[in-house]
Amino acid sequence: KQEVTQIPAALSVPEGENLVLNCSFTDSAIYNLQWFRQDPGKGLTSLLLIQSSQREQTSGRLNASLDKSSGRSTLYIAASQPGDSATYLCAVYNAGGTSYGKLTFGQGTILTVHP
Amino acid sequence: DGGITQSPKYLFRKEGQNVTLSCEQNLNHDAMYWYRQDPGQGLRLIYYSQIVNDFQKGDIAEGYSVSREKKESFPLTVTSAQKNPTAFYLCASSLTPGQALHFGNGTRLTVT
Repeated sequence: KQEVTQIPAALSVPEGENLVLNCSFTDSAIYNLQWFRQDPGKGLTSLLLIQSSQREQTSGRLNASLDKSSGRSTLYIAASQPGDSATYLCAVYNAGGTSYGKLTFGQGTILTVHP
Repeated sequence: DGGITQSPKYLFRKEGQNVTLSCEQNLNHDAMYWYRQDPGQGLRLIYYSQIVNDFQKGDIAEGYSVSREKKESFPLTVTSAQKNPTAFYLCASSLTPGQALHFGNGTRLTVT
């Protein structure tokens, strides 16, 4: 069964710092990996989707990388701002095993960017 | 504006009552999903539907039921058989299974 782990569970940084959020998964049989942002009491907003054949995706100040063979993805946020404060979740779309055809989510990293 | 609408935002029910959560999308997406979110546990899949008139159990389907009679609508019923129904429920859709997920703003259900 696929398991997704996100480290750290929480992160607090001053405004302007570059930061890295980590996501690891146990089964490398995936179609894609998605990064989401969740504001308190709200739904999730899709940030980036990386296909299993891709190494990275970029959107503005966000860059996500994928190393499928080692079961790892990182989300890099450049020049962080207070508005980036939210919970960030990664999810893998499974291509095999008992989780086939389903998304498995990590538990999220709570990010606080203080002025 | 295209999107996913979940209603109501907050729902309160007495133990032993069934309750139905609404999810409507106007994105013309084939696939729809229901997730449950509990503190510290991430999102867990309850049911999903890849196409109209078809749906599959997720990882925690016991005590829940769904229907998919229309492409736009995927209501979730929380039955009295669900042992711990109090949670934040999220509905999502994607154009086809495996593509980027779009989420609604969730319904917070409290059962006392």
